[in-house]
Amino acid sequence: DGGITQSPKYLFRKEGQNVTLSCEQNLNHDAMYWYRQDPGQGLRLIYYSQIVNDFQKGDIAEGYSVSREKKESFPLTVTSAQKNPTAFYLCASSIGLGDQETQYFGPGTRLLVL
Amino acid sequence: AQSVTQLDSHVSVSEGTPVLLRCNYSSSYSPSLFWYVQHPNKGLQLLLKYTSAATLVKGINGFEAEFKKSETSFHLTKPSAHMSDAAEYFCVVRNAGNMLTFGGGTRLMVKP
Repeated sequence: DGGITQSPKYLFRKEGQNVTLSCEQNLNHDAMYWYRQDPGQGLRLIYYSQIVNDFQKGDIAEGYSVSREKKESFPLTVTSAQKNPTAFYLCASSIGLGDQETQYFGPGTRLLVL
Repeated sequence: AQSVTQLDSHVSVSEGTPVLLRCNYSSSYSPSLFWYVQHPNKGLQLLLKYTSAATLVKGINGFEAEFKKSETSFHLTKPSAHMSDAAEYFCVVRNAGNMLTFGGGTRLMVKP
């Protein structure tokens, strides 16, 4: 099956703890993205990566870090510096150039702070 | 800068009646526009997209949207609602840097 997988589905974080959310795609897409969704709101971009070993900050990167060592994988670490991490996190990847680019989303990870 | 306004945070319709979800955008150039649907605790699924071709775009599950440049609108419609259409819908514009800007979402409720 081709697609985007995110794990775990639910994740609990203790105060002061770093946690890492996994995102894997087997679609051979070059670009990958991480978004945060808060209740009743649209998505906000955290980080994105257009090619391996390169990534850029989005609109709300503070308190987060990423890596892109492989084309298929784009893990997101929520660090202890992120003071309000409770949210639904969505990973996406995209294919196409310019007007033809379309982003496809994974099923999401819900992060809760204990 | 691009922005997206979804005019209704909640819409309630009866099963079998038409659906209209409203979206207005602002963009400094001819935009690409998308509608995504999100079922509870799920990721987003692409319904349809407009990329400067035909202004009436047909998507999956019977949905369609019309790009109206003069009104800066991209409203989503469906002739007859089904119970399975109950979800949250997001109107999205792609900006010059190929990044997406999301509207606040419209929650569609379908009554039996």
